[in-house]
Amino acid sequence: DSGVTQTPKHLITATGQRVTLRCSPRSGDLSVYWYQQSLDQGLQFLIHYYNGEERAKGNILERFSAQQFPDLHSELNLSSLELGDSALYFCASAGTADTQYFGPGTRLTVL
Amino acid sequence: QKEVEQDPGPLSVPEGAIVSLNCTYSNSAFQYFMWYRQYSRKGPELLMYTYSSGNKEDGRFTAQVDKSSKYISLFIRDSQPSDSATYLCAMSLTGNQFYFGTGTSLTVIP
Repeated sequence: DSGVTQTPKHLITATGQRVTLRCSPRSGDLSVYWYQQSLDQGLQFLIHYYNGEERAKGNILERFSAQQFPDLHSELNLSSLELGDSALYFCASAGTADTQYFGPGTRLTVL
Repeated sequence: QKEVEQDPGPLSVPEGAIVSLNCTYSNSAFQYFMWYRQYSRKGPELLMYTYSSGNKEDGRFTAQVDKSSKYISLFIRDSQPSDSATYLCAMSLTGNQFYFGTGTSLTVIP
């Protein structure tokens, strides 16, 4: 158990819908990273927050947005969902740059 | 060209063999190098971390970074069936954004 929690574990929704994925980092970690993992693309970095501030953006679509709250939990919002958004979404937390701890992931299925 | 290239395998070895996993990268500014292990449908787990060049050993695992060749390796000695997983390399310039390889699937046969 990494100490990072993600909810929900599974999410099934329809195209065009909007969903929110939630991540609680390990106690004391200020950084949260979001990743998308699909079979053909591997693990793709989406966005990094540090203590509530956005630090880096990767290949995150405009339909996706994220934020980190004062209690350090983070949410990833996915809107206008398409079939291609079906993937595993991971968050990871870190206290320092060299140690990311991944959560168990949220499996999103868009029908 | 992708930032990080990794042979997807699959790789199948007998128990006790030495396994060599490799990644190449294009950005010579990368400073942080990591290897993760991922079991099916689970989150990646950090195995090894190296800053800049050199070797690092931890039990049966050895990580090597050759910045002149832009090449990193993970060696697993005395491989066990429990090592069967997908191994991901990752690297970063500053620790704000990480670039992952696509992963190499390893099976260790008892």
